[in-house]
Amino acid sequence: NAGVTQTPKFQVLKTGQSMTLQCAQDMNHEYMSWYRQDPGMGLRLIHYSVGAGITDQGEVPNGYNVSRSTTEDFPLRLLSAAPSQTSVYFCASSYSEIGRGNTEAFFGQGTRLTVV
Amino acid sequence: GESVGLHLPTLSVQEGDNSIINCAYSNSASDYFIWYKQESGKGPQFIIDIRSNMDKRQGQRVTVLLNKTVKHLSLQIAATQPGDSAVYFCAEYSKDSSYKLIFGSGTRLLVRP
Repeated sequence: NAGVTQTPKFQVLKTGQSMTLQCAQDMNHEYMSWYRQDPGMGLRLIHYSVGAGITDQGEVPNGYNVSRSTTEDFPLRLLSAAPSQTSVYFCASSYSEIGRGNTEAFFGQGTRLTVV
Repeated sequence: GESVGLHLPTLSVQEGDNSIINCAYSNSASDYFIWYKQESGKGPQFIIDIRSNMDKRQGQRVTVLLNKTVKHLSLQIAATQPGDSAVYFCAEYSKDSSYKLIFGSGTRLLVRP
């Protein structure tokens, strides 16, 4: 049971480059989200999706795009990387809306991104 | 903001002792709270949750207490073990911030052998 799989685990980008962080889950979860984790800031929500074809913005969406063409995949795209986007990125999924019933969010292992 | 830079609040306990990790939340409308454990190099892992209509919830070796009057949440770990060493985050959720789980900045737990 793979759970939530993120790739790559590490990435170094130059300022202005673009790239896509991949996230896939095999639990048939409807809800998926992307967070970034910076020292002392906890995790902050970037974008989320409540199902295939539906996405919305979180707390810190600027500079990122997402799409949800399938239930399994939720890629995060950096359009033009900036040093301020240096962070650890986590993808999460859950069966239903967090807060409704006993809903556990499963997190991937994270992608450590450095923008130079 | 809640930032403490690179220096997370740290709780150091002796193996076998009980640990209490505290969290203050700001949104009185939050109706669901979760504690996560994050080990080095890994993603957050669900520990226990509690709804706002409850004051206490117990799991295996863990208890979460909720005091809505002072907007305070605590995680108690009984008989702390070396494997409990990690960073612990509380997270809050409210219906008026649909689908948005808001995380605190975390507390590092160090267990001394």
